[in-house]
Amino acid sequence: AQRVTQPEKLLSVFKGAPVELKCNYSYSGSPELFWYVQYSRQRLQLLLRHISRESIKGFTADLNKGETSFHLKKPFAQEEDSAMYYCALHRSNFGNEKLTFGTGTRLTIIP
Amino acid sequence: NAGVTQTPKFQVLKTGQSMTLQCAQDMNHEYMSWYRQDPGMGLRLIHYSVGAGITDQGEVPNGYNVSRSTTEDFPLRLLSAAPSQTSVYFCASSRRGNNSPLHFGNGTRLTVT
Repeated sequence: AQRVTQPEKLLSVFKGAPVELKCNYSYSGSPELFWYVQYSRQRLQLLLRHISRESIKGFTADLNKGETSFHLKKPFAQEEDSAMYYCALHRSNFGNEKLTFGTGTRLTIIP
Repeated sequence: NAGVTQTPKFQVLKTGQSMTLQCAQDMNHEYMSWYRQDPGMGLRLIHYSVGAGITDQGEVPNGYNVSRSTTEDFPLRLLSAAPSQTSVYFCASSRRGNNSPLHFGNGTRLTVT
């Protein structure tokens, strides 16, 4: 069975400090991983996906198959980064049918 | 485009009542799904559909029914509400295929007393 673990429910970081939100997964096949974000009073939305290898709003995430991790990082936190972040995994070749979310991390940026 | 529209935004039910949460999307997405969001539990998949006339169970389907008579609509029915169904419900849709991102609705906050 596939599983996503986000060990931190809450994370507080000072503005300008680096941010790392942890995500570990368990899946025997080839994983497709995403980060979704929910800002206050907004709907959940895609932040980034590992296949794109892109940087969105200064965030990056690298898939480490050896450590089965997909941590989200940003070198300098900004106040507008305060939000709820979810890591998600779905099985390759099956679309989104079994998209599994982690329990989420609430990030608070301290001014 | 409106994207994914959910109604109502808020609902209070008494134990045993039934109701339907509505979800519609105007992006011609084949895939639609319902999640519930609970503190400390993240988002859990209730039911999903990969196209009109096709539905399947997710992780927590008990107490809920769905149907998909059209591509656009994917209503979620609570047959006999229970306090354990107090939650925030999200509908989401996407194109089929790898790495297609989910588009979420604004959510419905349901309280069952």
